[in-house]
Amino acid sequence: IAGITQAPTSQILAAGRRMTLRCTQDMRHNAMYWYRQDLGLGLRLIHYSNTAGTTGKGEVPDGYSVSRANTDDFPLTLASAVPSQTSVYFCASSDFSGGYTFGSGTRLTVV
Amino acid sequence: GQQVMQIPQYQHVQEGEDFTTYCNSSTTLSNIQWYKQRPGGHPVFLIQLVKSGEVKKQKRLTFQFGEAKKNSSLHITATQTTDVGTYFCAGIDYGGSQGNLIFGKGTKLSVKP
Repeated sequence: IAGITQAPTSQILAAGRRMTLRCTQDMRHNAMYWYRQDLGLGLRLIHYSNTAGTTGKGEVPDGYSVSRANTDDFPLTLASAVPSQTSVYFCASSDFSGGYTFGSGTRLTVV
Repeated sequence: GQQVMQIPQYQHVQEGEDFTTYCNSSTTLSNIQWYKQRPGGHPVFLIQLVKSGEVKKQKRLTFQFGEAKKNSSLHITATQTTDVGTYFCAGIDYGGSQGNLIFGKGTKLSVKP
């Protein structure tokens, strides 16, 4: 692993189903983030974690939850998916001194 | 809350022409970062500007941070087809407690060979 790994790469999900998007980093960065990217709306922060054991809400947290049990992993869970959660989801990390490193993204379609 | 606005939303240029995208914040920023996202790809960090009035160059790319730390620009000289993508600026609110990046909506650059 080099950088951030996200899984799955893409997923089609029935509305109402529960889904966890996985994110793992190997850079020992303290901070991790989840963004969603929608056409015309740019990147919007869903949740963040400044260090293992802590999480916070971003701009669009409703319908999503996160956990940060250790430094490397930051999963994003959709408890009951809705079509408006169709988006591309990016996980990112940083060490607070410079730019964010992004994963390759998960393309999620909720039908 | 803090807002970061970018213009233009789209820019179409002929290969060899120059390109500039502008970023404006509603609040004073502690720093500003620029990212490039190729079509179908993920955002990739280009540079961070911290000081008022700072100018940095990366080959054909010139980045500027305004004196008031509320605006920034990215200028590409003599565009190439490899410059195609969406360029995002992102800033951290100077007084923000969260310290999380707020992204502009991006400028999508297309280059006609």
